[in-house]
Amino acid sequence: DAKTTQPTSMDCAEGRAANLPCNHSTISGNEYVYWYRQIHSQGPQYIIHGLKNNETNEMASLIITEDRKSSTLILPHATLRDTAVYYCIVRLGRGNAGNMLTFGGGTRLMVKP
Amino acid sequence: GAVVSQHPSWVICKSGTSVKIECRSLDFQATTMFWYRQFPKQSLMLMATSNEGSKATYEQGVEKDKFLINHASLTLSTLTVTSAHPEDSSFYICSARPPGGNQPQHFGDGTRLSIL
Repeated sequence: DAKTTQPTSMDCAEGRAANLPCNHSTISGNEYVYWYRQIHSQGPQYIIHGLKNNETNEMASLIITEDRKSSTLILPHATLRDTAVYYCIVRLGRGNAGNMLTFGGGTRLMVKP
Repeated sequence: GAVVSQHPSWVICKSGTSVKIECRSLDFQATTMFWYRQFPKQSLMLMATSNEGSKATYEQGVEKDKFLINHASLTLSTLTVTSAHPEDSSFYICSARPPGGNQPQHFGDGTRLSIL
C-alpha cells in the first residue's frame, strides 16, 4: 500500500467546514483512497472512498487532485461529535490484496465550540 | 449497511487467564476477517488475518500460540488471548469486508482488555 502523510492535528470551529489533507504521492493507478475516523474508545468508522473522481456522501466530500498524489476530506459543517482521529488510507480496491488496511498516525481533529 | 459486531466490549481479568473475543459479520458473509490491536495513543496495528476454513496468517512479531484465531464459519471469527499478562492489555478490534467490488472494511466497536 502507498504511504500516506497527514498532519498530526487540526482544530476547527463548530459549524465551519473541516478540510483534512492527505498526501499519497506514491499512489499507483489502481489504488483507492479511503477515509476512516475513530472516535475515542470505538472502532474505526468508514467515511468515504474514491479512485479518481471527487465523491460525496451524507457524511463528507472527498476531493482528489488530478495527479492523485493528494486528497482532501471535507466535513461541510463540523459538529462537536466530529472530534476524532481521521485516517487516510490508500489500498487496492479489489481482491485479497485489497482487504488489508494499514493505518498511519492519522489527523486528530478537534472541533471547538 | 454492513455491520460488524464484537463481543465483549470490556474484559477485566487476572493474569494467566485466557480470554476469548468474538467478531461477527451480522448481514454479510466474510471469508476473511482481520484482527487489530491498538495501544493507548497509538494507531491500529494489524495482528493477523483470519481465514474461514484455514489457518490464520499472523503479522511479524505476533505469537500465533499466544493469540489463537478460529474462523469456523463465514460470519464468526474468534481471537483467544491465551494465558494473558498485563502487557497484553490493549484495545482489540476486528474488521471484515462485504464481498463484491471495492466495498470498504467495516470495523467492530473493539474490546478493551485489561489484565490485572
